[in-house]
Amino acid sequence: DVKVTQSSRYLVKRTGEKVFLECVQDMDHENMFWYRQDPGLGLRLIYFSYDVKMKEKGDIPEGYSVSREKKERFSLILESASTNQTSMYLCASSTPSIRGGAFFGQGTRLTVV
Amino acid sequence: QQQVKQSPQSLIVQKGGISIINCAYENTAFDYFPWYQQFPGKGPALLIAIRPDVSEKKEGRFTISFNKSAKQFSLHIMDSQPGDSATYFCAASMSGGGADGLTFGKGTHLIIQP
Repeated sequence: DVKVTQSSRYLVKRTGEKVFLECVQDMDHENMFWYRQDPGLGLRLIYFSYDVKMKEKGDIPEGYSVSREKKERFSLILESASTNQTSMYLCASSTPSIRGGAFFGQGTRLTVV
Repeated sequence: QQQVKQSPQSLIVQKGGISIINCAYENTAFDYFPWYQQFPGKGPALLIAIRPDVSEKKEGRFTISFNKSAKQFSLHIMDSQPGDSATYFCAASMSGGGADGLTFGKGTHLIIQP
């Protein structure tokens, strides 16, 4: 069964901390994505990667960076967490053979205090 | 600039009724239009999707209607059931494999009353 696993369901971090959100997929998908989900705003694309060591900015990359050292793993990094980064973060993966059909993880609810 | 506009924000339908959610897009480069269903505490899950060369796609009780000239598409849920209560997102993609990511609507919170 298709699986995208995010390392934490809930995280609480302090302002200014460096935060790592980890995502692993077991489907050998080429493409991986990080979205954030906020009430009334839907899902917004932060960064995506179509290959190992490749990364592209999405719609809201400010304050974030990513790392993809292995095909199955895609990490989102908050260099210096701020309260406006409190949100639900969703990782997803896809492959050209499933056009548009991205598979999502369960999400990490991050609270920055 | 919101590229995919979704309405309504919330919707209450009686059991057995038809639920209709509408989306409109602006970018004519979009070439794939999926719908996602999300239950509380879960990530979104692909429900049904359509390409612009097709005007309608049906899977079970779920139907997408697509109007390319109007740049609009909609999700119809026939014989709506309480288990359909969820948040629904329309989305659009420009790349064949979704490599560029999806642009989502803001979501519709659907409640099916028994």
